[in-house]
Amino acid sequence: KAGVTQTPRYLIKTRGQQVTLSCSPISGHRSVSWYQQTPGQGLQFLFEYFSETQRNKGNFPGRFSGRQFSNSRSEMNVSTLELGDSALYLCASSLAGRNSDPGGYTFGSGTRLTVV
Amino acid sequence: GESVGLHLPTLSVQEGDNSIINCAYSNSASDYFIWYKQESGKGPQFIIDIRSNMDKRQGQRVTVLLNKTVKHLSLQIAATQPGDSAVYFCAENGFSGGYNKLIFGAGTRLAVHP
Repeated sequence: KAGVTQTPRYLIKTRGQQVTLSCSPISGHRSVSWYQQTPGQGLQFLFEYFSETQRNKGNFPGRFSGRQFSNSRSEMNVSTLELGDSALYLCASSLAGRNSDPGGYTFGSGTRLTVV
Repeated sequence: GESVGLHLPTLSVQEGDNSIINCAYSNSASDYFIWYKQESGKGPQFIIDIRSNMDKRQGQRVTVLLNKTVKHLSLQIAATQPGDSAVYFCAENGFSGGYNKLIFGAGTRLAVHP
């Protein structure tokens, strides 16, 4: 079966612009989580969506937002980009219901965002 | 490929040796732990998991040990192969409002030499 698909693979944006990243989960998976990965901070949780509802959010400024569609595909948006937003953005999908095992998370290959 | 981490601790081993990668976790209430492998240019790949009611769990060539007393997790890889070269992350399930949220460790780079 197809894995988690993230598009685009690479992106270069200018400081102050906004960007939208897309994630298509594994078919049947209803939970999508987003993570930011940088050399300095490692992997940090951004937010999680389940059935079109954000049910968990990390400690990121309001410039970072997301949404999930009825087909479980998810997008995240970053507005007013800063140089420090340069990172690999990863999404992970799972069947996960409440308090279920997160070991079923499958990660995509990520979108490499560079802000110049 | 992309650099996952420029200043990660590195474990260098000879092909065929056993590798042990260690991780300290932060939350004594965490009840579920996972090890991931990340190769250059790819997302993290699930290796093995363990619940807090267990001390040890074995998979194919991998064993995870959990010491809740000192909040320590380790991943043992038997007969390490060049294909095992990657960055390894431990993650704990940080419950937030009852929903799952993974908290990742900083990672360790495993370099396997022939």
